[in-house]
Amino acid sequence: NAGVTQTPKFQVLKTGQSMTLQCAQDMNHEYMSWYRQDPGMGLRLIHYSVGAGITDQGEVPNGYNVSRSTTEDFPLRLLSAAPSQTSVYFCASKGGTGKEQYFGPGTRLTVT
Amino acid sequence: DAKTTQPTSMDCAEGRAANLPCNHSTISGNEYVYWYRQIHSQGPQYIIHGLKNNETNEMASLIITEDRKSSTLILPHATLRDTAVYYCIVRVSGGSNYKLTFGKGTLLTVNP
Repeated sequence: NAGVTQTPKFQVLKTGQSMTLQCAQDMNHEYMSWYRQDPGMGLRLIHYSVGAGITDQGEVPNGYNVSRSTTEDFPLRLLSAAPSQTSVYFCASKGGTGKEQYFGPGTRLTVT
Repeated sequence: DAKTTQPTSMDCAEGRAANLPCNHSTISGNEYVYWYRQIHSQGPQYIIHGLKNNETNEMASLIITEDRKSSTLILPHATLRDTAVYYCIVRVSGGSNYKLTFGKGTLLTVNP
């Protein structure tokens, strides 16, 4: 199993540009989440999904959209990038009865 | 979710046991204590979790006090690769524990 994969690893955007961060898992997990981590801070939940076709907002959802058309994929869309969205983004997944979350390696995004 | 309090940083000598404390005085009866760690620039990694009994796995031991208001994560023989930020998280078990709340954690530095 590849686990949780994220692409790209690094990205630089100009203010106002849009882009999609990709996340995929091959463990047939029901739950998937997106977190962001700013310097010196813990992770904050952006959006999450409890299964294909179902998504909901986390702690800091503004400026981001998600969709879950398949069990495997959970892309995060930045609609109009802002410097405040400069951060490291982590995707995570969890099985229905599993106790632990599996995290991807992260995407480091810089918005200038 | 119950709030947790951890020291900002700790040092440990290589080969010695590392004992990381966590206070969670408002923990509810159905909330588990989870520990994750984050090695620099990587995604968080699950370590261990417990409800009220002490737990041990191949990575660490978790000691929870009888009143459940605090716990200690023990790395029995710390290595340089254990240098990381360690997060103590209190959360109910089951499906909804995909929504984790990460604080700032404890930066453990293992010294040669």
